[in-house]
Amino acid sequence: ELQLVESGGGLVQPGGSLRLSCAGSGFIFSDYYIGWVRQAPGKGLEWVGRITHRYDSYSTEYAASVKGRFTISRDDSKNSVSLQMNSLGTEDTAVYYCFREFWYSFDRWGQGTSVTVSS
Amino acid sequence: DVVLTQSPLSLPVTLGQPASISCRSSQSLVLSDGNTYLDWFQQRPGQSPRRLIYRVSKRDSGVPDRFSGSGSGTDFTLKISRVEAEDVGVYYCMQGAHWPFYTFGPGTKVDIK
Repeated sequence: ELQLVESGGGLVQPGGSLRLSCAGSGFIFSDYYIGWVRQAPGKGLEWVGRITHRYDSYSTEYAASVKGRFTISRDDSKNSVSLQMNSLGTEDTAVYYCFREFWYSFDRWGQGTSVTVSS
Repeated sequence: DVVLTQSPLSLPVTLGQPASISCRSSQSLVLSDGNTYLDWFQQRPGQSPRRLIYRVSKRDSGVPDRFSGSGSGTDFTLKISRVEAEDVGVYYCMQGAHWPFYTFGPGTKVDIK
């Protein structure tokens, strides 16, 4: 069964860091772009960023709201993508979903992991 | 950035009746390959988003045929032919034409009258 499973969420103080992980199974993980979308409490969906596969040199792109603070990386040997989040602010409080990107669309999503930035 | 607007933002519907959601884009969603990259996602309460429709009108596997998508250029519509209780949730349109900077509409909340 195709799955994406996020982990690593939790409570962090403003200015702190957190690292989220997304583990994929049931498909050839290394052949796909993988990215992150977040959803603040009671709000809509916001694209955060993504990493391409090896054929496109593992390049990354980020939303302006997180550029310079967030970093996406991947380890295809572990079928895993990470989202390193630094300098967190209360505006980063959200559920973070990873997705599989294919042909300019997000065809599979994980169940999400919750991040709360609060003192 | 490409801005997507949806209407209505709230849609109370009667079971068994049709429903329609509009999505308008601030820019054309036609890519150089000739395809139009506008998707629809459903997010049921407490669940992660699920793609229903991609490239305007292509239904994902397992999506009931009461869901249909249409439109072109900058104007798109998601229709539910006969609303069922399991259709309650928030529906988002998303553009992929201006990748990698994907954007979503604000969402339309569908609930039962």
